[in-house]
Amino acid sequence: GALVYQYPRRTICKSGTSMRMECQAVGFQATSVAWYRQSPQKTFELIALSTVNSAIKYEQNFTQEKFPISHPNLSFSSMTVLNAYLEDRGLYLCGARDWGGDQDTQYFGPGTRLLVL
Amino acid sequence: GEKVEQHQSTLSVREGDSAVINCTYTDTASSYFPWYKQEAGKSLHFVIDIRSNVDRKQSQRLTVLLDKKAKRFSLHITATQPEDSAIYFCAARRTSSGQKLVFGQGTILKVYL
Repeated sequence: GALVYQYPRRTICKSGTSMRMECQAVGFQATSVAWYRQSPQKTFELIALSTVNSAIKYEQNFTQEKFPISHPNLSFSSMTVLNAYLEDRGLYLCGARDWGGDQDTQYFGPGTRLLVL
Repeated sequence: GEKVEQHQSTLSVREGDSAVINCTYTDTASSYFPWYKQEAGKSLHFVIDIRSNVDRKQSQRLTVLLDKKAKRFSLHITATQPEDSAIYFCAARRTSSGQKLVFGQGTILKVYL
């Protein structure tokens, strides 16, 4: 079956430091990978969308300088939160889309919960 | 930009009754509408979805209705159980490549005994 793994599941970092999170698609090749953030008491905001053969597209209020993303192949993506501060805390979700032919399904990982001290 | 709205922040129902959660969307090109469930402290769990080529889809106690003219879709849960209690998020997306899911704000469903 199709699964999305994320690592780490939970992490704590000091204010001003950086942390890297990973996303792995298993059982399918992700035509696109999206990173979302759910801040406390809020809905899911798209940070950036990485699509095969296209540049990574960042949403307004999110930049490559703050959230650099690597998407080296169809199974793996990583994102770093640089200089994390309190407002960066939340649940970071990776969504991998399996799109092609009759298939079009988005699978989400369990998320990486970031706490900033 | 495109928006997906859930106007019910909280919905309380008695166990065994039905629950209906409504969503509206603005992007007329949206063609895929999934629903997700988030339990306390946990990630998103896929519940059910519907595509724009149909107006109704049922899976056991869950039914999704889609009204493309009104740009509205809804999740119907029958015979609710306490374990249905969670935050439910609706979302919408275009089918074409490179399109993002836009989420609603979430509806807290509370099923009480």
